[in-house]
Amino acid sequence: QLQLQESGPGLVKPSETLSLTCTVSSGSISISNYYWGWIRQPPGKGLEWIGSIYYSGDTYYTPSLKSRVTISVDTSNNQFSLKLSSVTAADTAVYYCARCLRSYYDSSGSEKPRCGFDPWGQGTLVTVSS
Amino acid sequence: EIVLTQSPGTLSLSPGERATLSCRASEPVSSSYLAWYQQKPGQAPRLLIYGASTRATGIPDRFSGSGSGTDFILTIRRLDPEDFAVYHCQQYATSPWTFGQGTKVEIK
Repeated sequence: QLQLQESGPGLVKPSETLSLTCTVSSGSISISNYYWGWIRQPPGKGLEWIGSIYYSGDTYYTPSLKSRVTISVDTSNNQFSLKLSSVTAADTAVYYCARCLRSYYDSSGSEKPRCGFDPWGQGTLVTVSS
Repeated sequence: EIVLTQSPGTLSLSPGERATLSCRASEPVSSSYLAWYQQKPGQAPRLLIYGASTRATGIPDRFSGSGSGTDFILTIRRLDPEDFAVYHCQQYATSPWTFGQGTKVEIK
C-alpha cells in the first residue's frame, strides 16, 4: 500500500529556511489525478494546509504562507519537497505530507486539486529555535 | 476562506456510548466535500469519512457521517476503547482547504 515518509532537519534557526522532503513508496508520484500536499500542526493545536503539487509541477498554496513557501517535485526519485523561508517560532510544528483524495477539471479543462488527504506520512517535528 | 467550527471541544463518554460530533461551516460546503479524520496522540490523522458520508477503506461501520450545506455530523454508534481520540473535520470544496479545531473524545 502507498506510503509516505517525511525527512529533514528537526531544528531550524529563526530567519532561516525550513526544508523537508516527502518520499513516496509502493506507488508512483507521477500518477494522473492525484495531487500531493503538505499540512502542519503546531504543538497542541489544529491542522493547517500549507500547499499541494502535481507531478507536472502545478502548485497551490494557502494564502497566509504563499510568500514564504515553495513546493517542488522530483519525479525521478518519487519525492516532493517543502521549503519555508524566514521561519519564526510560530512555524514550530509537526509537518505532514499526504496525498490528495482527487482532482477535477474546471470549465477551461484544467485539472485542479480537491484536497482531502489520504494517506498521510507519520509526520516530523520541526522546531524553530536558536 | 471557509471557517469550520467543531463542537463540543471535549466529549466525555463511556465505552459503549454513542458519540455525536458537530462541524459547522461559515458558508456552504459544495457537493459535501467534507472529510473527518481521527488522530491519536503521537500519530498522524487517519481518514475516516469523505464526501460527508462515505467511509474510507477499512473503517468500521460504527462510524457514520451525515449532513450537507453548513452542518455536518460524525456519529460513533458504540464507542470502542480504541475510539478515544481527537477528531478533525476538513472541507475540500474550496481552496484554501481548511480544518476545524478538533473535538477530543475522552473516557468519562
